[in-house]
Amino acid sequence: GAVVSQHPSRVICKSGTSVKIECRSLDFQATTMFWYRQFPKKSLMLMATSNEGSKATYEQGVEKDKFLINHASLTLSTLTVTSAHPEDSSFYICSARDGDRINYNEQFFGPGTRLTVL
Amino acid sequence: AQKITQTQPGMFVQEKEAVTLDCTYDTSDPSYGLFWYKQPSSGEMIFLIYQGSYDQQNATEGRYSLNFQKARKSANLVISASQLGDSAMYFCAMREGTQRSGNTPLVFGKGTRLSVIA
Repeated sequence: GAVVSQHPSRVICKSGTSVKIECRSLDFQATTMFWYRQFPKKSLMLMATSNEGSKATYEQGVEKDKFLINHASLTLSTLTVTSAHPEDSSFYICSARDGDRINYNEQFFGPGTRLTVL
Repeated sequence: AQKITQTQPGMFVQEKEAVTLDCTYDTSDPSYGLFWYKQPSSGEMIFLIYQGSYDQQNATEGRYSLNFQKARKSANLVISASQLGDSAMYFCAMREGTQRSGNTPLVFGKGTRLSVIA
């Protein structure tokens, strides 16, 4: 199956700093990528949808200036949490979709990034 | 309104027994796909099984089967012969539209924590 990687897997940062999380599709071209956020013992909440070469579409309530998403190539999307605060501490998971696949199971998940803001 | 409802926050099952995890969904789109994912404590999302809205047969994948009752809008996951390694969070998810439709993301339920007892 297709592989999606995320880097870093864990990050601890001080309040006020910015953190960049990378999501890569390793063996397919991801025309669409989704970023989810998961609080402890909670469900995955969609933050935004990004398409290669265009601006991301953010879900209601997600601050686009705080969570910057860049999908500059067909294999890489980045999420930057700007001026992070403790309430941004969460598990961030990216998911990539290969638009050329006709297989229903075409949305593949990265292993997630656990962000802790002190 | 919630699109995916999982009413069981937690379930216990004896090893080697079968267990059913409930999922109901809400959509007015005639085309949709239903997914089940397993999330162990490591955080990775593991795809288990898929059911398309037009599929005539209930999906099966090894020990996993999906009890699809379209009129009731339910898509329960049945795990047969439970193993200790099945202990994890289980999420039901839906994607509306055809499998090649645009940028429609997966929407997740709140999840069910399954604990398998020896």
